[in-house]
Amino acid sequence: AQSVTQLDSQVPVFEEAPVELRCNYSSSVSVYLFWYVQYPNQGLQLLLKYLSGSTLVKGINGFEAEFNKSQTSFHLRKPSVHISDTAEYFCAVSDRGSQGNLIFGKGTKLSVKP
Amino acid sequence: SAVISQKPSRDICQRGTSLTIQCQVDSQVTMMFWYRQQPGQSLTLIATANQGSEATYESGFVIDKFPISRPNLTFSTLTVSNMSPEDSSIYLCSVVHRDRFPYEQYFGPGTRLTVT
Repeated sequence: AQSVTQLDSQVPVFEEAPVELRCNYSSSVSVYLFWYVQYPNQGLQLLLKYLSGSTLVKGINGFEAEFNKSQTSFHLRKPSVHISDTAEYFCAVSDRGSQGNLIFGKGTKLSVKP
Repeated sequence: SAVISQKPSRDICQRGTSLTIQCQVDSQVTMMFWYRQQPGQSLTLIATANQGSEATYESGFVIDKFPISRPNLTFSTLTVSNMSPEDSSIYLCSVVHRDRFPYEQYFGPGTRLTVT
């Protein structure tokens, strides 16, 4: 069965520093990959997605992620974070043959300090 | 995108009672899902809500405990039955638009349930 691992449960960084949130998935079958963000007391919002094509995907709010098939990874990056990026970030995967069911990682809490 | 509302936004319930959560979308959608987010845990898919037929449940979830209805393309309910403290979680519905399957799921704000 498919599984998603987010290696860091919490990531504290200072404002304007770069950040990388790591995500690995288990299956080698073709997948769709997603990053969602959940701001405090809000629902999940789609940040970006990988479906096919270029392995570097750009999303909203200056975030980008790179799909690495050989390492089954989909790490999220931002070159310079803001206080407003403080939130919980979830990596998710959907098998291409599924009905769209998402398998989520446990989430990474990004805390941006001034 | 889709605007999704959930009612109630939060509730505190007693052990042994049931709570019905509503999910309303502002446009017709292809698929609706229900997820559970337990404290400190990831989101887990409970079931796919099918219009006009029984929901499709994931392993570990059963209809007697989590009955689901979906009478039309914009509305669904999830009931948490005979609640215990282990049911304390955030319950989220999500939707996929008919022309964007299976690429983007939009999530509601969630219902925070505490069982005492």
